[in-house]
Amino acid sequence: GNSVTQMEGPVTLSEEAFLTINCTYTATGYPSLFWYVQYPGEGLQLLLKATKADDKGSNKGFEATYRKETTSFHLEKGSVQVSDSAVYFCALSEVNTGKLIFGQGTTLQVKP
Amino acid sequence: DSGVTQTPKHLITATGQRVTLRCSPRSGDLSVYWYQQSLDQGLQFLIHYYNGEERAKGNILERFSAQQFPDLHSELNLSSLELGDSALYFCASSLQRERGETQYFGPGTRLLVL
Repeated sequence: GNSVTQMEGPVTLSEEAFLTINCTYTATGYPSLFWYVQYPGEGLQLLLKATKADDKGSNKGFEATYRKETTSFHLEKGSVQVSDSAVYFCALSEVNTGKLIFGQGTTLQVKP
Repeated sequence: DSGVTQTPKHLITATGQRVTLRCSPRSGDLSVYWYQQSLDQGLQFLIHYYNGEERAKGNILERFSAQQFPDLHSELNLSSLELGDSALYFCASSLQRERGETQYFGPGTRLLVL
């Protein structure tokens, strides 16, 4: 079946450090891929998405590229801020149903 | 603010009870999805409704049911509650049901079963 695997957390970085959160997927067909972010006590917010191979999604300094050959969608940011501290979820949209399948989430803590 | 509203925000109840969670989608969105977030299972898809009709079911227990009304709001009914049903329940909405459409999430209802 379809699945998403994210790197284990928590990830702790100093402000202005480079961030990478790895995400790989297994899927039938060509799903769309998403990164959602969840701040403490809040719901999930879409961070970025990519709908086909080699697409790059970007938002608020975050980027991720849909890599079909490695079935990956790694999240990157060049310089993190304290305000980026949150839980990040990688997800795919199942081709037949549209439902989202999520990774287990990666907690990011950025220290000043 | 995603435009998706959920009520109540918090719910505390006892085992064996029944509760109803309500979701209002963004204006114009026809699809509503329900998800459960728990510490042990993570985020799991429960059920999808499109324009009043059930379209897909996930890992939804038989004690749980849902419906989408003509005004497009949706309700998730949880009955014979067990301790393990304690979780955060999210609904999400999207315009239609096309592959790859963004789903916009509500703030969630936190359910605690004692």
